Amino acid sequence: QVQLQESGPGLVKPSGTLSLTCAVSGGSISSSNWWSWVRQPPGKGLEWIGEIYHSGSTNYNPSLKSRVTISVDKSKNQFSLKLSSVTAADTAVYYCARVSGWSDLWGRGTLVTVSS
Amino acid sequence: EIVLTQSPATLSLSPGERATLSCRASQSVSSYLAWYQQKPGQAPRLLIYDASNRATGIPARFSGSGSGTDFTLTISSLEPEDFAVYYCQQRSNWPPTTFGQGTRLEIK
Repeated sequence: QVQLQESGPGLVKPSGTLSLTCAVSGGSISSSNWWSWVRQPPGKGLEWIGEIYHSGSTNYNPSLKSRVTISVDKSKNQFSLKLSSVTAADTAVYYCARVSGWSDLWGRGTLVTVSS
Repeated sequence: EIVLTQSPATLSLSPGERATLSCRASQSVSSYLAWYQQKPGQAPRLLIYDASNRATGIPARFSGSGSGTDFTLTISSLEPEDFAVYYCQQRSNWPPTTFGQGTRLEIK
């Protein structure tokens, strides 16, 4: 079955760029789904970051849009997140998810800490 | 941006009891609302989509209702594994899609 796995550095320095990748296995990223990123600060709720279609079309949360880039690599069956100019407020567990109408499949999440 | 307000923040019940969780939207979302369950250290799991449809593999004790601005998630008879945090999400008017702040369902 389809599985998602996030990967990337667990520690990013303030003002740096957070970079994560979500590998899709057991299925094609070119299927009729959107692929999204959602984050959750420790002990807090869920925040939608944005999403991408395999064609490259994207939607971003306006609150983060100036700092976010989501891209897709069909040859590697993965999609990626870049978040620039990070601060401690960006410390969170970052999840990737498949969106077939709704987020019906999630990765396990990866904790990214912003600290010097 | 549509704001979703969940109530109560915490619900304390015993196994076997009925749980009723509420999600209110700041403007109509029609039926474009979902419910997720999240257990500690785990990713959210889709329970209900389009307000009232159970996702694949979700037990029949979970049900959703509502439309417009007022929605309810009902768990008819609580099992020990149901104690978790529950979030609602709307996709009526996006971006952004938004989540409620969550309801913590704890064992009494």
